Amino acid sequence: GAGVSQSPSNKVTEKGKDVELRCDPISGHTALYWYRQSLGQGLEFLIYFQGNSAPDKSGLPSDRFSAERTGGSVSTLTIQRTQQEDSAVYLCASSFANYGYTFGSGTRLTVV
Amino acid sequence: QQQVKQSPQSLIVQKGGISIINCAYENTAFDYFPWYQQFPGKGPALLIAIRPDVSEKKEGRFTISFNKSAKQFSLHIMDSQPGDSATYFCAASKAGNQFYFGTGTSLTVIP
Repeated sequence: GAGVSQSPSNKVTEKGKDVELRCDPISGHTALYWYRQSLGQGLEFLIYFQGNSAPDKSGLPSDRFSAERTGGSVSTLTIQRTQQEDSAVYLCASSFANYGYTFGSGTRLTVV
Repeated sequence: QQQVKQSPQSLIVQKGGISIINCAYENTAFDYFPWYQQFPGKGPALLIAIRPDVSEKKEGRFTISFNKSAKQFSLHIMDSQPGDSATYFCAASKAGNQFYFGTGTSLTVIP
């Protein structure tokens, strides 16, 4: 596609429920990144994929967070047993070689 | 440890003025330094980037100044306009790996 597509754009969920966030990167982009941005805050690194493998999972905040990428394309970020502190905008970015990230518009997650 | 430190946290500039945002980094292995611009409700968008083999890069009203010895780089926005009001993030990376972002600067340009 022309850009990085994330879905849903907004998600409201009840505390304790599981959620899945989806990212469709730009076709041909081998690297994919997930970041979290809390209100008025910077970008918190979560996980990075090169192809289907995740060489760096160091940013995942807890074992409730997991991510996978299939076919070197679509990625899903799953948050289990959501907590209120998980409320944030989850941003996905993709890149090819070292030419900079292209970000999606994000998924705004609200846990009530 | 914060790999990239950004200042100021917020900045207010009159229309037509110069906006300057500064960043400093720790890792001398970093070889790519982009700036991103983010409007409310949108993801960050690449604005301009520089590699350490040059000291300055200019694209329109936007200029990156790079000081390799001081491990610092800055974004200058000339003739700032109200439409430039956004949050700006600097970043650094090594060989296409994870980008390390600054904490962001909220710029407001007053008409």
